[in-house]
Order: sequence, then C-alpha cells, then structure tokens
Amino acid sequence: QAVVTQEPSLTVSPGGTVTLTCGSSTGAVTSGHYPYWFQQKPGQAPRTLIYDTSNKQSWTPARFSGSLLGGKAALTLSGAQPEDEADYYCFLAYGGGRNWVFGGGTKLTVV
Amino acid sequence: QVQLMQSGAEVKKPGASVKVSCKASGFTFTGYYIHWVRQAPGQGLEWMGWIKPDSGGTNYVQKFQGRVTMTSDTSISTAYMDLTGLRSDDTAVYYCARDRGWGVWGQGTMVTVSS
Repeated sequence: QAVVTQEPSLTVSPGGTVTLTCGSSTGAVTSGHYPYWFQQKPGQAPRTLIYDTSNKQSWTPARFSGSLLGGKAALTLSGAQPEDEADYYCFLAYGGGRNWVFGGGTKLTVV
Repeated sequence: QVQLMQSGAEVKKPGASVKVSCKASGFTFTGYYIHWVRQAPGQGLEWMGWIKPDSGGTNYVQKFQGRVTMTSDTSISTAYMDLTGLRSDDTAVYYCARDRGWGVWGQGTMVTVSS
C-alpha cells in the first residue's frame, strides 16, 4: 500500500500564508490521484475543503486553495484566521479510485 | 436534508464483533459509493474500504481483509460495517462518508474494545 506523507506540524501567523503539501511514495501526485483535503477540529468529524485537486465545497472559505506543486498536492491558506487552527488531512486515490490512502495529517497552529 | 446517520456507541470485549449502521437520507442512496473511515484516539484517519450499494460490490484495505464486511440494504438506504475479531487497537471512531466530493459524513460511532 502506498504511503502518503504530510508535514506533521506547521505554524502560521494570523493573516499569513502557509502551504501544506502531500506526497506519495509511488511517485509524483497527479490529478489522477483526485487529491482531497479535509479539515478536522477536535471532537468533530472531518470536513472536506478541497476535492479533485482544486475544487471547493460550498462551505470552503475563499482563503483556501488546492493545487499540484512540484510533484505534490498542495493546500494553500492565504490570510490565516484563528479558526483555521486544526488538523488537515490529505487523501489520495490509487488504482483509478479503487483504493484510497490518507496522509498522516498536518497540525496547523495559528499564532 | 442530505445526511448520514450512524448507530450509537458500542463497547465490546476482545474477540467479539461489532456492526455499525449508516442510514442515508435526502439523496439517492444507490447513486453513490459509501466509504468507511476510522480514527483511533489521538491518531489520524484510516480508510477502510467502500461499498457500492446498487450492486453490493466492495473493496477493503488489505489490512482488514477477512475481518471486515461491508453490506447495504437499499430498501432502507442503510449501509453496514461489520468488524470481527475485535482487538484493543480497533478502539476508534468509525465514520461512513459519501463519495464524489466527500461532502457528507456520518457523525461517527465510537467503538471501544476492552476486557
């Protein structure tokens, strides 16, 4: 099974910009991995922010964006807010969507 | 209202089985795959597999092969995840989620395995 890697933790200042990345042990992440990004706050179910690399859900704040960057999937937060402090999980498809793997998650601190 | 409603918390002894249900409402149940994800206390998310309710087709992570069975009852728009041979490291919150955007998740079901 593939291993999906994320930064364990990142810190951003309020109003600042930060990029979270998501790599795959099988090689470059492409649109064919249908990259997802989930946000999870303590005691809550995960919430989808980005699907299929860069598509936003209706509830996704405009300050979040998804892309492919240097062979990885990336989630960029521009203008961080205190309420963005959370765990963020990358999620990739393999075998055309038959199998899926979560990254280990990035704990984002806004301070 | 589009939602997935899961069954309540369970406490099981090692070696027992647990069956978690996930009832869909507000959308066409047979038009989506239903995935199951779990999260052990203080740990990350772990994808377990999916079921395609209209055909009953399934795919499981190899780690759970032989211990997990995902089924569905289209007459009541409900998916089930059955996990056997429970161990203490199966203690987790189990979630169901709808594919295609993964915008709909169940509220989670806490399964505690303890002697």
